Amino acid sequence: GAGVSQSPSNKVTEKGKDVELRCDPISGHTALYWYRQRLGQGLEFLIYFQGNSAPDKSGLPSDRFSAERTGESVSTLTIQRTQQEDSAVYLCASSFTGARKETQYFGPGTRLLVL
Amino acid sequence: AQSVSQHNHHVILSEAASLELGCNYSYGGTVNLFWYVQYPGQHLQLLLKYFSGDPLVKGIKGFEAEFIKSKFSFNLRKPSVQWSDTAEYFCAVKSPGVDSNYQLIWGAGTKLIIKP
Repeated sequence: GAGVSQSPSNKVTEKGKDVELRCDPISGHTALYWYRQRLGQGLEFLIYFQGNSAPDKSGLPSDRFSAERTGESVSTLTIQRTQQEDSAVYLCASSFTGARKETQYFGPGTRLLVL
Repeated sequence: AQSVSQHNHHVILSEAASLELGCNYSYGGTVNLFWYVQYPGQHLQLLLKYFSGDPLVKGIKGFEAEFIKSKFSFNLRKPSVQWSDTAEYFCAVKSPGVDSNYQLIWGAGTKLIIKP
């Protein structure tokens, strides 16, 4: 079946502009995670959605970052007033319920470059 | 804060050499441990995982990893590497975050290059 998809695959923007990144999780997966991977570093957790529960936003680095999810489907990550340090690969993952023993499945990522 | 350390950022080996990539984590409670691999131009995919039971876990493509609780380690091994194993390898630990959200905590990755 279809895996996690993300769009766009690459995004180049100017400092100060807003960007919106999209994630389509695997159908039936209620848990959705966003991670950020800076060059040469491991992934950093950003935000987690589980069904209709309030999202866990504990990983968002600043109030310029926000994310929404429509039901148990598409999620968008928005970065307002982008800065050069926002340049990174943004990865989305999904799993069935978010339980401890579940594997998270990753999308291909969106590579963001802020000039 | 919880953390995951991968000791080698770059490893270069010849084909048929044996491989061991180190991974240590800091969380003292119950953890789930993962190795993910990212081949050039592809996205992250699961190589193997440990939840409980036998601490020696076998994954795809001949990889295995051993969970040593006393050392907080989960090292990845392969007895004989191939050129196609060239990739970046990430160790990750799943431990409870806010409200028992099981987020993954990641190492910085090890770039493995296999010389033909």
